[in-house]
Amino acid sequence: SAVISQKPSRDICQRGTSLTIQCQVDSQVTMMFWYRQQPGQSLTLIATANQGSEATYESGFVIDKFPISRPNLTFSTLTVSNMSPEDSSIYLCSVVGGGPFGETQYFGPGTRLLVL
Amino acid sequence: QKEVEQDPGPLSVPEGAIVSLNCTYSNSAFQYFMWYRQYSRKGPELLMYTYSSGNKEDGRFTAQVDKSSKYISLFIRDSQPSDSATYLCAMSLNDYKLSFGAGTTVTVRA
Repeated sequence: SAVISQKPSRDICQRGTSLTIQCQVDSQVTMMFWYRQQPGQSLTLIATANQGSEATYESGFVIDKFPISRPNLTFSTLTVSNMSPEDSSIYLCSVVGGGPFGETQYFGPGTRLLVL
Repeated sequence: QKEVEQDPGPLSVPEGAIVSLNCTYSNSAFQYFMWYRQYSRKGPELLMYTYSSGNKEDGRFTAQVDKSSKYISLFIRDSQPSDSATYLCAMSLNDYKLSFGAGTTVTVRA
């Protein structure tokens, strides 16, 4: 299994500012994923980050709002830009685990963001 | 209609009880079914994984899939206070994109 850490673990931010969340994995992985977990709602995939290429965003998420970097095979960042209170959520990164299509995933502990 | 619907809970049960958690889904093409457990202030961790209809047991946990009814369940036998967590069902077609339920929070009372 992969060990994943995230920084910061939590933050309180003012609207209009940006926050960059870091995700570090203890082994090299091809694919990393960023999710959002809003209170009482399902985990929602924001984007897939592959090393050496642009991130692939899911419907409803755009690069200007959630720019992602993937400089190497163990690290990725997600930036939440121009934040509003609606961005208050838990942000999680994950990596592929087992299964023929990588459908089992290992998750980081999450970053809890509150936007005032 | 959401793609995956999960009984919202919360559930509170006495220690030793059987916990029953349920999800329904609308997309009959889903092939892989998972249950994740999420403790407070932690990320989800994979608990059970199956890809066929029927039952799969792992210790005190049983995952049940009924593809004809588009229904999956997780049963926890002899529940312990350490089982207190939020349980998330998840499913996928044939790739890494997971569709999650909203989660059911379970409290096992000592």
